[in-house]
Amino acid sequence: GAGVSQSPRYKVAKRGQDVALRCDPISGHVSLFWYQQALGQGPEFLTYFQNEAQLDKSGLPSDRFFAERPEGSVSTLKIQRTQQEDSAVYLCASSRAQGANTEAFFGQGTRLTVV
Amino acid sequence: RKEVEQDPGPFNVPEGATVAFNCTYSNSASQSFFWYRQDCRKEPKLLMSVYSSGNEDGRFTAQLNRASQYISLLIRDSKLSDSATYLCVVRNFNKFYFGSGTKLNVKP
Repeated sequence: GAGVSQSPRYKVAKRGQDVALRCDPISGHVSLFWYQQALGQGPEFLTYFQNEAQLDKSGLPSDRFFAERPEGSVSTLKIQRTQQEDSAVYLCASSRAQGANTEAFFGQGTRLTVV
Repeated sequence: RKEVEQDPGPFNVPEGATVAFNCTYSNSASQSFFWYRQDCRKEPKLLMSVYSSGNEDGRFTAQLNRASQYISLLIRDSKLSDSATYLCVVRNFNKFYFGSGTKLNVKP
């Protein structure tokens, strides 16, 4: 497909369970971002990759959150020992090489519900 | 203080009305500016980039005032299909900062 693809679209996890969220960026996009969006809020930055390098992970809320992009394409966001406050939509975005006015393209997101 | 501040609305307007949204950003070194549109339970999608000279795309006009760190979006002749949440977005190096969004409801 031409756009950013995320899977699964929906995930229900029991508290304490580990989850893995996948993102397939647009082919050739160097930059990849993960965002967390709570209901009624704008997306909040989690982490950023340039190719396979994780250059910024300052937005990850705790050490239970881990992201990787080992080959510079597909990325996985892993959340260990999920808590109820982790319930949110997790959005992945990609963009071309860093530059002024380079917009980000978003996937449809994974809606995580922790019960 | 949030990086990007927006009035959450909602703005309830009749079809054909003109409506304006504003946002402010806190980092004067911010490099790029955008308006995104987000429909209910969908992902954000780029509406338009915002340039210092101001720019127009059909019924949509965006303005940027770097001195005041202020961004605006004007929608003319509102359509029912314009109902959505409009997100003000600022790029600073490797991060896109989002406002909380302004909700627009266009009524028949």
